[in-house]
Amino acid sequence: SQQGEEDPQALSIQEGENATMNCSYKTSINNLQWYRQNSGRGLVHLILIRSNEREKHSGRLRVTLDTSKKSSSLLITASRAADTASYFCATDVGDYKLSFGAGTTVTVRA
Amino acid sequence: EPEVTQTPSHQVTQMGQEVILRCVPISNHLYFYWYRQILGQKVEFLVSFYNNEISEKSEIFDDQFSVERPDGSNFTLKIRSTKLEDSAMYFCASIAGPGTEAFFGQGTRLTVV
Repeated sequence: SQQGEEDPQALSIQEGENATMNCSYKTSINNLQWYRQNSGRGLVHLILIRSNEREKHSGRLRVTLDTSKKSSSLLITASRAADTASYFCATDVGDYKLSFGAGTTVTVRA
Repeated sequence: EPEVTQTPSHQVTQMGQEVILRCVPISNHLYFYWYRQILGQKVEFLVSFYNNEISEKSEIFDDQFSVERPDGSNFTLKIRSTKLEDSAMYFCASIAGPGTEAFFGQGTRLTVV
């Protein structure tokens, strides 16, 4: 079942600002992954965070995971025009497949 | 960096025709997947494949769909008799093992007319 749900659906920010998006899910997970999708293109893997981890960083990306609230957040710091894309969370509940949310569309204005 | 490659990038087909979408997963990966994304909608799981057989399939993956790993590198998705509602972006993905990150191809945009 699809259990990741992102919030907000859309986000518009100025270049240089931070962008934060959230993902909520319903059942226990093994890990949660964030992906980026540029318009009409493929899914690019950003970060995987395991259920026993609380925070991970990768460059300008910071992901947190709160298993008690069944939620995760993705923070993009110092955004750039190239960060304009849709961002998806995807949960792995241990059945070796991913369930994707509907995504957050981020627009970074120059 | 290793990547999943998919061909073709775009396919237009007549309703009722068969299509085969091709994927070359990352070479040392063991689990292979097909997902699809109808325009503007969520990415949906279709099927997983491990050890030369289907591990799991969704309700979308009906008798019109089949997958095959004909050799050591290719992984294909066949739709026997396409319908208009099969129009979507189809993504192939692979993982090295359980609990590892999934790498996706660039997708094949299938348009059924």
